[in-house]
Amino acid sequence: QLQLQESGPGLVKPSETLSLTCSVSGASISSSSYYWDWIRQPPGQGLEWLGSIHVRGSTDYNPSLKSRLIMSLDTSKNQFSVRLTSVTAADTALYYCARRPMSDFWYFDLWGRGTLVTVSS
Amino acid sequence: DIQMTQSPSSLSASVGDRVTITCRASQSISEYLNWYQQKPGKAPKLLIFAVASLHSGVPSRFSGRGSGTDFTLTISSLQPEDFATYYCQQSYSTPSFGQGTKLEIK
Repeated sequence: QLQLQESGPGLVKPSETLSLTCSVSGASISSSSYYWDWIRQPPGQGLEWLGSIHVRGSTDYNPSLKSRLIMSLDTSKNQFSVRLTSVTAADTALYYCARRPMSDFWYFDLWGRGTLVTVSS
Repeated sequence: DIQMTQSPSSLSASVGDRVTITCRASQSISEYLNWYQQKPGKAPKLLIFAVASLHSGVPSRFSGRGSGTDFTLTISSLQPEDFATYYCQQSYSTPSFGQGTKLEIK
């Protein structure tokens, strides 16, 4: 069954680095037909796109977060990851990983269930 | 940045009603507009992409229209499973989402 599952620490201290992994089952992240994205949702707020990565190595980041974001993928584990440095309370959110088909119309056709990350000392 | 504004922010309706949600972009986004449905505690689900293209498995009671800056999502006859929050998302530039429209049972 096609599924994405986020994992990582639920609590991160201010100024430290948030690291999350998305495990993909039922599909290969090596497929050139898809990008793999991260999206977050602060409590009670709307959705914010963080960035995306493709197996060919290309990345796109939200300009508002670009200086703090690093995305990577591990084809041997069929996983992709995000690192967000120098976090603050404003980075507290439900973090989703998602799949984006290669298309001019950037839409996310499959999402993980999300993982809550709280930034607090 | 392109700002997406949805209206209304919340809506009460009954099963069988026809409902329309509006999404307005701060600048023209051509047809780069997608819609999602999110239920409490669940991940968003893609409903419509490129304004009017129904994602696989989405019931035909959902439809989308618009171009430029103004877009609508219409549910022709509300079903119990449709009560959820709906988000629009533009992909003309750095993807951004509307703030959501919560559809509640009257």
